[in-house]
Amino acid sequence: EPEVTQTPSHQVTQMGQEVILRCVPISNHLYFYWYRQILGQKVEFLVSFYNNEISEKSEIFDDQFSVERPDGSNFTLKIRSTKLEDSAMYFCASREGRAVEQYFGPGTRLTVT
Amino acid sequence: RKEVEQDPGPFNVPEGATVAFNCTYSNSASQSFFWYRQDCRKEPKLLMSVYSSGNEDGRFTAQLNRASQYISLLIRDSKLSDSATYLCVVKGGGYNKLIFGAGTRLAVHP
Repeated sequence: EPEVTQTPSHQVTQMGQEVILRCVPISNHLYFYWYRQILGQKVEFLVSFYNNEISEKSEIFDDQFSVERPDGSNFTLKIRSTKLEDSAMYFCASREGRAVEQYFGPGTRLTVT
Repeated sequence: RKEVEQDPGPFNVPEGATVAFNCTYSNSASQSFFWYRQDCRKEPKLLMSVYSSGNEDGRFTAQLNRASQYISLLIRDSKLSDSATYLCVVKGGGYNKLIFGAGTRLAVHP
């Protein structure tokens, strides 16, 4: 069964550093998403991406965040200058064109020290 | 008012028990509804979509009441492997942003 994959599984970085989180969505999916979950809290939407552009973003997704689909398979989330409060699990998700169900990758645990 | 509200639990039930979870949502324009399951420090996994007519998948039954803005999940014959957090999820309009509840924890014991 096709799956969303994410790398790395765990990333430790120092405050102020840039990080790039990588995702490979399911191959025939057209819509891509990033969510995050701070430890002990609920899953929160960050951004959706379709047809090579951002279609919706939340208040969390400020100028420090960017997304890119650099090639036909990868989907990346970049945080330019990490803060302590960026420490969280970051989940990538994707969905087919006509379906509404989103499928999540295993997540990247980001720890900012 | 929270967009999606769930009882956090935990629900501690013996194997074989029937357990029900409820969820309410605030936006009457919400279009699609789901139950996801999340194990500790893992990704949310889609358990089932919830349709207006209700739907069943094996031991799991989901119901939707649009008038009351209420969603439910019933688990029959609980197994140890059902222990997890159950997330009530609502899709808004637009490009299918998902809005998650905080989850209800279920612990099934022998």
